[in-house]
Amino acid sequence: SQELEQSPQSLIVQEGKNLTINCTSSKTLYGLYWYKQKYGEGLIFLMMLQKGGEEKSHEKITAKLDEKKQQSSLHITASQPSHAGIYLCGADMSNAGNMLTFGGGTRLMVKP
Amino acid sequence: GAVVSQHPSRVICKSGTSVKIECRSLDFQATTMFWYRQFPKKSLMLMATSNEGSKATYEQGVEKDKFLINHASLTLSTLTVTSAHPEDSSFYICSARDSMDQPQHFGDGTRLSIL
Repeated sequence: SQELEQSPQSLIVQEGKNLTINCTSSKTLYGLYWYKQKYGEGLIFLMMLQKGGEEKSHEKITAKLDEKKQQSSLHITASQPSHAGIYLCGADMSNAGNMLTFGGGTRLMVKP
Repeated sequence: GAVVSQHPSRVICKSGTSVKIECRSLDFQATTMFWYRQFPKKSLMLMATSNEGSKATYEQGVEKDKFLINHASLTLSTLTVTSAHPEDSSFYICSARDSMDQPQHFGDGTRLSIL
């Protein structure tokens, strides 16, 4: 099993609906990063969370890291077709501040 | 800010050819650069980590003689796939960051197809 589990693996929502993507680990996450990828392209950095209980928002996207620093969620409010893509969570799981371990990704489609 | 440029975006070449991929940080100094490989519909697999001026650290199972990494300056790292074969066909992505408390910023990736 992966060290970082993402759910769901894929998601189809109607435009205007809210959605949540989860990223879970059995280990402490020393830094949690959310990225968005369009197929065949690079990753776009969305948000970075480092402290337990931290929450950040940018436009219609909110990311949270739980107090235990083992679970993060990404919430999109009033989804739009432009939100479609693959969302990846990446985490520093060693506190070495070096490599990231990535989750399996969530493929999001937004139906107009 | 924090733009990473990766070149080329796509390469198609014959088996046995060596291919070089460049990764540049355009507006910051990248003390550390990372090289990933991504298989279709899969997540990113870290291949190696490189710090400017020192040898790259390869992940388990990645052949260092096959995938040569050079990080000669604070803005440029290169990955050379030597004597490429069809099984090396993949999507390769680099990332860079300027310090340990900053996120990695990714290039647009290189799709490598070996015939």
